[in-house]
Amino acid sequence: DVKVTQSSRYLVKRTGEKVFLECVQDMDHENMFWYRQDPGLGLRLIYLSYDVKMKEKGDIPEGYSVSREKKERFSLILESASTNQTSMYLCASSLTASGGLKQYFGPGTRLTVT
Amino acid sequence: SQQGEEDPQALSIQEGENATMNCSYKTSINNLQWYRQNSGRGLVHLILIRSNEREKHSGRLRVTLDTSKKSSSLLITASRAADTASYFCATDDSNYQLIWGAGTKLIIKP
Repeated sequence: DVKVTQSSRYLVKRTGEKVFLECVQDMDHENMFWYRQDPGLGLRLIYLSYDVKMKEKGDIPEGYSVSREKKERFSLILESASTNQTSMYLCASSLTASGGLKQYFGPGTRLTVT
Repeated sequence: SQQGEEDPQALSIQEGENATMNCSYKTSINNLQWYRQNSGRGLVHLILIRSNEREKHSGRLRVTLDTSKKSSSLLITASRAADTASYFCATDDSNYQLIWGAGTKLIIKP
């Protein structure tokens, strides 16, 4: 079974702090994604990466950056956390497009910025 | 960007009854997927239906796709308490990305 793990289930940070969220997948997937999920808004894509060191902005990249130095690891960075970044963050991975884009999700990190 | 829209937003039924959720989308697709999310957890893939398929089954799940109406439905038969979750549809934009709806919250009452 594909396993996607995220570094923390719950995280509380202060406004202005730099925050790192890490995601690791164990199935050699090319594509990895970071989403945020807010009530009533569904999943919104922050960034995706389709290969090591390759990244592409999603729908809401402002205030975030990402890093993918190794194929299995995709990090989301909040350079200076703000209260409006309080949310559930979900990481996912998938095979190439020929795999139908089925995504495998981690358990999520609930981030609170105070 | 959101393409899929689930309907209803929330659904509450008795255990044992069937639950039907609908998803509408705006542009042409290669495939459509349904996912389940238990409270406060990550999403789990349920079923994928390709644009040239009209119906697909997996256990108690039945998915239909009508590309002429740009809509899909997910039927869960003989519902159980463990089916209580949020259900999301997602369509592909053939650019490595899935486009998600806001979800249907399903509550199964014992």
